[in-house]
Amino acid sequence: QVQLVQSGAEVKKPGASVKVSCKASGYTFTSYGISWVRQAPGQGLEWMGWISAYNGNTNYAQKLQGRVTMTTDTSTSTAYMELRSLRSDDTAVYYCARMVPTLDYYYYYMDVWGKGTTVTVSS
Amino acid sequence: DIQMTQSPSSLSASVGDRVTITCRASQGISNYLAWFQQKPGKAPKSLIYAASSLQSGVPSKFSGSGSGTDFTLTISSLQPEDFATYYCQQYNSYPPTFGPGTKVDIK
Repeated sequence: QVQLVQSGAEVKKPGASVKVSCKASGYTFTSYGISWVRQAPGQGLEWMGWISAYNGNTNYAQKLQGRVTMTTDTSTSTAYMELRSLRSDDTAVYYCARMVPTLDYYYYYMDVWGKGTTVTVSS
Repeated sequence: DIQMTQSPSSLSASVGDRVTITCRASQGISNYLAWFQQKPGKAPKSLIYAASSLQSGVPSKFSGSGSGTDFTLTISSLQPEDFATYYCQQYNSYPPTFGPGTKVDIK
């Protein structure tokens, strides 16, 4: 079955970087994309960006431009999200989700989600 | 960015009730709308895409409708496992945006 397995919880100091992984199984990795969504404590869902596992194209949320990088390793079917210059308000659960293309490959929706990775930023 | 609103923000309902949640987009999004269910401490679960198409494995008690700016999620007969927070999300244009959520709890 389709699964996304994320890396474990992280505790970082302000100004540091974090890199979260999302290992896919049960499907052809390069036929889909991966989105990253985060959720601060007690808050709603915030889309961070997505990457095409087919060609590596990315699209990031404007507020994170310059601090976030999303990559994939097709040899291991793994997606990565790196966030730099961490601040206390980056404390959140970070989710990866598979992006499914519509028939025209112009629109993408999320279907399967990882279980989440808790990132805590604290001095 | 397209703003998504949901109403109500929370509701209390009984087992067996029919529940309807409304989602509105700040501009037309055709039918590029998804619904997610999230239980406390868990990842979101995808329920519906393209406004009315059920994700694989999602029971038929969930249904979605709408197009343009106004959408609804209906749970035909609420069961104990359905008490959760529900989010809508548009994927018509970047950035994809989520509604603030509707919390469904037990009356």
